[in-house]
Amino acid sequence: AQTVTQSQPEMSVQEAETVTLSCTYDTSESDYYLFWYKQPPSRQMILVIRQEAYKQQNATENRFSVNFQKAAKSFSLKISDSQLGDAAMYFCAYMNYGGSQGNLIFGKGTKLSVKP
Amino acid sequence: EPEVTQTPSHQVTQMGQEVILRCVPISNHLYFYWYRQILGQKVEFLVSFYNNEISEKSEIFDDQFSVERPDGSNFTLKIRSTKLEDSAMYFCASSSGSQRAYTFGSGTRLTVV
Repeated sequence: AQTVTQSQPEMSVQEAETVTLSCTYDTSESDYYLFWYKQPPSRQMILVIRQEAYKQQNATENRFSVNFQKAAKSFSLKISDSQLGDAAMYFCAYMNYGGSQGNLIFGKGTKLSVKP
Repeated sequence: EPEVTQTPSHQVTQMGQEVILRCVPISNHLYFYWYRQILGQKVEFLVSFYNNEISEKSEIFDDQFSVERPDGSNFTLKIRSTKLEDSAMYFCASSSGSQRAYTFGSGTRLTVV
């Protein structure tokens, strides 16, 4: 069974600085998707960024980028120029490629605080 | 932008009662999901639904739970004989199946007292 591990329960960053959130996963599959979701105090799950395992190029979305190391099964999220609105819980998630289910397996999350 | 709508946003129920959580998925999506998040814990998969039947369910999704798509637009989660430990945030999600669009609703906070 696949597992997702986020080893940092809490992180803090100064506004305008850069922070990296860590995620590792375990799978025997070669094709899969990885995601970072943001959960602000409103509790809604918001997709931040996604990565297909077959793509070597790291995904980027504006200030958000990932460092995907397939061999190491590592998928970290870098937030550049941190803003107060980035404060939230961040969940790393895994999904098998193909099939119809598309079920997400989540890590336990990292609570990010942004200091003004 | 299309949204997944969940109602109610918060529901309080007595232990032993039945509750129905409602979701309206995005109209052209084909796959529907329920997830649960107990306060302070990770989000857990409950069930996926496709073509009017359950396609996969987790160990959490036992006989106490059921899902239904009664009218082609709503997608409901029924919890029978609620227990205190059913208190959680329940998220509905829908997907087009391409795995490029997997949208969560805002969640229903269920409190069992």
